[in-house]
Amino acid sequence: DTAVSQTPKYLVTQMGNDKSIKCEQNLGHDTMYWYKQDSKKFLKIMFSYNNKELIINETVPNRFSPKSPDKAHLNLHINSLELGDSAVYFCASSQGIVNIQYFGAGTRLSVL
Amino acid sequence: EDQVTQSPEALRLQEGESSSLNCSYTVSGLRGLFWYRQDPGKGPEFLFTLYSAGEEKEKERLKATLTKKESFLHITAPKPEDSATYLCAVQAGNTGNQFYFGTGTSLTVIP
Repeated sequence: DTAVSQTPKYLVTQMGNDKSIKCEQNLGHDTMYWYKQDSKKFLKIMFSYNNKELIINETVPNRFSPKSPDKAHLNLHINSLELGDSAVYFCASSQGIVNIQYFGAGTRLSVL
Repeated sequence: EDQVTQSPEALRLQEGESSSLNCSYTVSGLRGLFWYRQDPGKGPEFLFTLYSAGEEKEKERLKATLTKKESFLHITAPKPEDSATYLCAVQAGNTGNQFYFGTGTSLTVIP
């Protein structure tokens, strides 16, 4: 049973479209994260929620909006997709803020 | 400016040839330093956490150490299955809400 699962695994879409990526964790953790990994494999944190409260909100375009309906889910919605949004997006979770993070397998987003 | 730098960017080793990977950091209020392994097409997988200078952790062929400015990941007698990208991450700030990953070291172990 996958601990942190993301859907979809691959997402190919046109510029200007709106898309969502879903993340669910079954580890009972209280903190979840979204990361973006670019083509050079650099992993940059975007958002983090602790007990459904936004605690990390890095400088990302406001076209990106995270939503946490409950502690087990953190979704990422992206409006008006641009070519530069193409990357692999990883979801992660941890128990507490300063602790081991468990990552999903990633969602590869390609914007054409 | 807070940052995390890893070196070398890429490393090729013969099987059995030991070496070390470096992670240098400049942050205020270190809360924890984490090492992860990432295989192609997968998410990072946790290896070690270090919290204070002088701390060491060991697992199989890997050993992580921490000083006030850097961390080393020592690989002893590596095997081909150790080939992966090794990522260093630093968590800092009063509440631990500052999180930075290094750019990684891509390790290839040749049989």
